[in-house]
Amino acid sequence: SQQGEEDPQALSIQEGENATMNCSYKTSINNLQWYRQNSGRGLVHLILIRSNEREKHSGRLRVTLDTSKKSSSLLITASRAADTASYFCATDANFGNEKLTFGTGTRLTIIP
Amino acid sequence: DAGITQSPRYKITETGRQVTLMCHQTWSHSYMFWYRQDLGHGLRLIYYSAAADITDKGEVPDGYVVSRSKTENFPLTLESATRSQTSVYFCASSVLSGNTIYFGEGSWLTVV
Repeated sequence: SQQGEEDPQALSIQEGENATMNCSYKTSINNLQWYRQNSGRGLVHLILIRSNEREKHSGRLRVTLDTSKKSSSLLITASRAADTASYFCATDANFGNEKLTFGTGTRLTIIP
Repeated sequence: DAGITQSPRYKITETGRQVTLMCHQTWSHSYMFWYRQDLGHGLRLIYYSAAADITDKGEVPDGYVVSRSKTENFPLTLESATRSQTSVYFCASSVLSGNTIYFGEGSWLTVV
């Protein structure tokens, strides 16, 4: 069963625009991670945010976490064609990585 | 720096045959994982290992066997392949529980 669920399932935007993806989860967590997957490739870690953090930045990425709403958002600013990929959130549900569960992902397409 | 490598990358096998997917990591990470990725289900954890000779079941372990005699290797065996095991399989590793997970490039398995 999915702990995290991403929304929307698919998103298409023009290059240069910002992209926002959301993740909702069901149980308390220690941390939440976001990963990117290019077509036909493995997942690549983007950012980890701990349950006691509310916001984190990494380059053009901004992640927020609202534990009261059990939700997180990933914002990609000034999108580029190379950002076209699927994005997944993953949560550990207080059990550490051995119980890390992934959502079904948001498919992001950047239109040049 | 080879990282984490999977083999074979692509395989077609027949129902009932035994198949082994290999995974090798060069980082000496303690934790290793096997996930399968299917449309509509995201990534689901099959088995994980916290250290050599320590393995445990994930969300979907039925029909699979793992072993970890050496820290760097974590093979996944399908004892008698079924069509429902047609999937993309990802091996992954992490230093410690709760840390970033590093994924291999995936093994595409088709059972006919």
